[in-house]
Amino acid sequence: QVQLVQSGAEVKKPGASVMVSCKASGYTFTAYFIHWVRQAPGQGPEWVGEINTNSGGTKYTQQFQGRVTMTRDTSITTAYMELSSLTSDDTAVYYCARDRGWGIYDYWGQGTLVTVSS
Amino acid sequence: QSALTQPPSVSGSPGQSVTISCTGTNSDVGSYNRVSWYQQPPGTAPKLMIYEVNNRPSGVPDRFSGSKSGNTASLTISGLQAEDEADYYCYSYRSDLTYVFGTGTKVTVL
Repeated sequence: QVQLVQSGAEVKKPGASVMVSCKASGYTFTAYFIHWVRQAPGQGPEWVGEINTNSGGTKYTQQFQGRVTMTRDTSITTAYMELSSLTSDDTAVYYCARDRGWGIYDYWGQGTLVTVSS
Repeated sequence: QSALTQPPSVSGSPGQSVTISCTGTNSDVGSYNRVSWYQQPPGTAPKLMIYEVNNRPSGVPDRFSGSKSGNTASLTISGLQAEDEADYYCYSYRSDLTYVFGTGTKVTVL
């Protein structure tokens, strides 16, 4: 069965970086893009960006340009999202999701809580 | 980037119908049939309910339906059930090759 399993919760200080992983199983990893979505406490979800798991090509939302990097390791079917220069505004649950195309997310990871606090 | 606009809340009694609107622009909802709807109970990941305006994934009850007119998409829940109580978000592809969620609507079953 398809599964996306994310890494565990993180606590970071302002200015630090965080990397969240998303281990995929149960399907051909390179056949689907992986998208990243974050959700701050009490807020709606927000699209962060996407990675073409076949080519490694990426697209990020403008507000994260320069701070976010998405990568993948096809040998271990894992996608990664790294966010740098963290502030308290980056405190959120970060989700990875499998994209069937055009933002149709049929499977989601369980979410990773990133807390930024001094 | 501005979120798509949804009403903060809608409510209905069991068996009734409710409709959630999602207003965008001609750079997103109005230009593409790439509108999805996600259901999110508290503390869980979103779940796909409708894709490409009016298509239901396997396993989603047929009381959920979607439509679109101009820059506004809509989700209708017919025959409301207690288990439908959750937050609902619309989602659209945009002309700048990015994606945007709606502001979210809390559905309450009275």
